[in-house]
Amino acid sequence: DAKTTQPNSMESNEEEPVHLPCNHSTISGTDYIHWYRQLPSQGPEYVIHGLTSNVNNRMASLAIAEDRKSSTLILHRATLRDAAVYYCILRPVQGAQKLVFGQGTRLTINP
Amino acid sequence: DGGITQSPKYLFRKEGQNVTLSCEQNLNHDAMYWYRQDPGQGLRLIYYSQIVNDFQKGDIAEGYSVSREKKESFPLTVTSAQKNPTAFYLCASRGLAGAHGAKNIQYFGAGTRLSVL
Repeated sequence: DAKTTQPNSMESNEEEPVHLPCNHSTISGTDYIHWYRQLPSQGPEYVIHGLTSNVNNRMASLAIAEDRKSSTLILHRATLRDAAVYYCILRPVQGAQKLVFGQGTRLTINP
Repeated sequence: DGGITQSPKYLFRKEGQNVTLSCEQNLNHDAMYWYRQDPGQGLRLIYYSQIVNDFQKGDIAEGYSVSREKKESFPLTVTSAQKNPTAFYLCASRGLAGAHGAKNIQYFGAGTRLSVL
């Protein structure tokens, strides 16, 4: 399984943008980049995913490097409810779609 | 409301006892998964099932068993062979073509926290 590397923790202020980086230098050409987040004592929830092009949805934006070896999850205006652990995961296009979770980035939002 | 229901929310196990964690989904999803999460760690895959009456071992299947007799249900049994069962257990499901939501997104339940007495 291809591996991702994320900072252990990050901190930001409420109503400011947050950029969460992820390195995945061994990504294969058919791996999708998925982001999930986990609020305290809850199950993870899907945030966004992409393959090559940048993606936007109501929760966040995903910027993917041209060589696909890194990506950045962007929260445009952080709120206190965005405090969570964010996981960057590579998902193979074929097969059982098993997700391999690393330790993720713990995001703290200051009021 | 469509979703995944895990029960109970908290569970205590005595020495030598088997316990079963329930996972039910009404999303009409074909694939279901069980993960284990230890404090401060990411999730690790225990078992998964892509279709009724079929399931495969994940990365840490020893000491656990599952069944998939119905599409909507995927119970996990933590057996007495699992020597360190204290953890947060999460169930997820994923739709295949035509199901609720985008087909390659996993939807998670709220989890069961298992402790040993």
